[in-house]
Amino acid sequence: SAVISQKPSRDICQRGTSLTIQCQVDSQVTMMFWYRQQPGQSLTLIATANQGSEATYESGFVIDKFPISRPNLTFSTLTVSNMSPEDSSIYLCSVEGRSQGYGYTFGSGTRLTVV
Amino acid sequence: GENVEQHPSTLSVQEGDSAVIKCTYSDSASNYFPWYKQELGKRPQLIIDIRSNVGEKKDQRIAVTLNKTAKHFSLHITETQPEDSAVYFCAANRRRDDKIIFGKGTRLHILP
Repeated sequence: SAVISQKPSRDICQRGTSLTIQCQVDSQVTMMFWYRQQPGQSLTLIATANQGSEATYESGFVIDKFPISRPNLTFSTLTVSNMSPEDSSIYLCSVEGRSQGYGYTFGSGTRLTVV
Repeated sequence: GENVEQHPSTLSVQEGDSAVIKCTYSDSASNYFPWYKQELGKRPQLIIDIRSNVGEKKDQRIAVTLNKTAKHFSLHITETQPEDSAVYFCAANRRRDDKIIFGKGTRLHILP
């Protein structure tokens, strides 16, 4: 399975500021996914980062709040903009396994606390 | 929309006993069902998955069963050990775009 490096691992941010999370994969992948995991909760898909095209967002998530970049097939960033305490969460990137649509692997996550 | 329901939310079993976690899915076209284990403070790890062309899959102490007609699938852990304590998530693919949708998780406690 792919090896994913995600950073930062954690951060404490002031409300109203923005944080950019980076995700680097050791192999080329078509799609990268960004999930949010609120404390003690499940994983919710935020958006899919597509190389060469705009990211596709899930219901309830918008580009202005969570802009995503995908400059190449091994890298993506997620920005959490104009943060509020409700954005405190773990953010995880994920990629498919060798077979498209199967075997998702997750990065180590970014624990964000907004104060 | 498509969703995955998971039960129970918490499960406590004596060490050595079996644990069963059950999930149902709403998208009848789903054809891929992974299970993830998440230990405290760590990333979710894929432990087993099943595709809709089989009804059961086993890997040592872990097995998953799938009933396509009823749209439910289950995780079975036998001879539980302390290191099995974790949160387990079932998931299913959303067939229209193959994205993975997760259940709410089951916190499994293995009692000494």
